[in-house]
Amino acid sequence: DTGVSQDPRHKITKRGQNVTFRCDPISEHNRLYWYRQTLGQGPEFLTYFQNEAQLEKSRLLSDRFSAERPKGSFSTLEIQRTEQGDSAMYLCASSTGPSLNYGYTFGSGTRLTVV
Amino acid sequence: DQQVKQNSPSLSVQEGRISILNCDYTNSMFDYFLWYKKYPAEGPTFLISISSIKDKNEDGRFTVFLNKSAKHLSLHIVPSQPGDSAVYFCAASSSGGGADGLTFGKGTHLIIQP
Repeated sequence: DTGVSQDPRHKITKRGQNVTFRCDPISEHNRLYWYRQTLGQGPEFLTYFQNEAQLEKSRLLSDRFSAERPKGSFSTLEIQRTEQGDSAMYLCASSTGPSLNYGYTFGSGTRLTVV
Repeated sequence: DQQVKQNSPSLSVQEGRISILNCDYTNSMFDYFLWYKKYPAEGPTFLISISSIKDKNEDGRFTVFLNKSAKHLSLHIVPSQPGDSAVYFCAASSSGGGADGLTFGKGTHLIIQP
C-alpha cells in the first residue's frame, strides 16, 4: 500500500470550466476527508465521508462543489464553473477511525490553478 | 476569524538545540489538539496529539504541552535535527456533536541551521 493517492497532481483550467479530482485512500481506511489549502494558510476542512456516506460538509463547500464516494472506496471532488478563487491545493486524507484518535494520512494533493 | 493561531510564520533554530513552536486557540469547545509536519510538495504528516484531559504528551524527541486556562499549546522538539526543517501545523477538534473536521492554524516554518 503506497498511502493516499491523488490524481492529478496539477491541474490548470480556464475559468468557467468544470474539473474533477480523484482520491484513493489507504485500502482499510473507512473515513475519507477533503481539505483545501491556499497560499499562506493551513488546510481548511471541506467534507468527510464514513464509508459511502457523506457525514459532514463545511460552509466552504458551495453549490458548485460536489463530492462522492461510491462504494466507500475512492472519492471524487468536482468543481463546476470554476472561479479564480478556487485556485488552491486540494488535499485528501483518510483514517481508520476518528481523527481524535488516529490523526489522518494525507495525500500529496492536487494543485488547481484557474486562469 | 482564526480559531487556531500560530503567530510565528517562521522560526530558525540551531541544530541540536530545542525548537519550541507555539499555538493559541479561541474556541473553548476544542478538546483535542494535533500537530502536523509538512514538507514541500507533500501532504501534511501526523506527528503527535494531545487530549484536553492531559497537559503533556511525549513521543521520542517530540513533546506537546497544553495549557487549557491560557488556551495555549506548544510543541517542543529536542534535539532539533536538519530533517525537522518543515512547516508545522497546529490543529484542533471538538469531540462533541460527531463532527470530525480539524481546524488548522496557518503554520510555522521551522528552519534548522547547521
